[in-house]
Amino acid sequence: DAGVTQSPTHLIKTRGQQVTLRCSPKSGHDTVSWYQQALGQGPQFIFQYYEEEERQRGNFPDRFSGHQFPNYSSELNVNALLLGDSALYLCASSSWGTGGFNYGYTFGSGTRLTVV
Amino acid sequence: AQKVTQAQTEISVVEKEDVTLDCVYETRDTTYYLFWYKQPPSGELVFLIRRNSFDEQNEISGRYSWNFQKSTSSFNFTITASQVVDSAVYFCALSEGDDYKLSFGAGTTVTVRA
Repeated sequence: DAGVTQSPTHLIKTRGQQVTLRCSPKSGHDTVSWYQQALGQGPQFIFQYYEEEERQRGNFPDRFSGHQFPNYSSELNVNALLLGDSALYLCASSSWGTGGFNYGYTFGSGTRLTVV
Repeated sequence: AQKVTQAQTEISVVEKEDVTLDCVYETRDTTYYLFWYKQPPSGELVFLIRRNSFDEQNEISGRYSWNFQKSTSSFNFTITASQVVDSAVYFCALSEGDDYKLSFGAGTTVTVRA
């Protein structure tokens, strides 16, 4: 049973460019969340997608946008890259039970983005 | 304000020693979930344990155990008889009420020496 798959694993971009990261959720999961993890810090919530819509957003600028497809996979787009966007970007998938019970999140191995 | 505090930045132990990781959380919700995740050098966050706010029963699962105390807002995690493979960064995380996000602590780096 495949877990969460992210691509690419590593990426180097230049300041001002745009980048797209991809995530396939674990089988049976319908919700995808994205996190940014700067070096030496805990992951920070970017946003969550459910039923192809952004359900919740963290404290990130509009340069960060996303999309969820009918097969539940998701993309994270970052425009006008800054040096400070260099980080590990983690995708997490989950499923929600009756009443919104959180069964927990399964994380991928992440995409290491370096902005130069 | 930081919702999850992991005061220990780094812990170094010799194999077979026990390791206890501290986690203090802050929330006004009566319904919330607490998690511990392990992040090895590969980068993937590996789920270890989850507790909800209505269940303070402390349990042991293999070499892992946890101590959840609502009175002190603490959710400590213990690895018994540590092994070199336990070397990783450990994160405590909180999910509150209707909030969908996980709020992570800064992490504790555990190094187990042979």
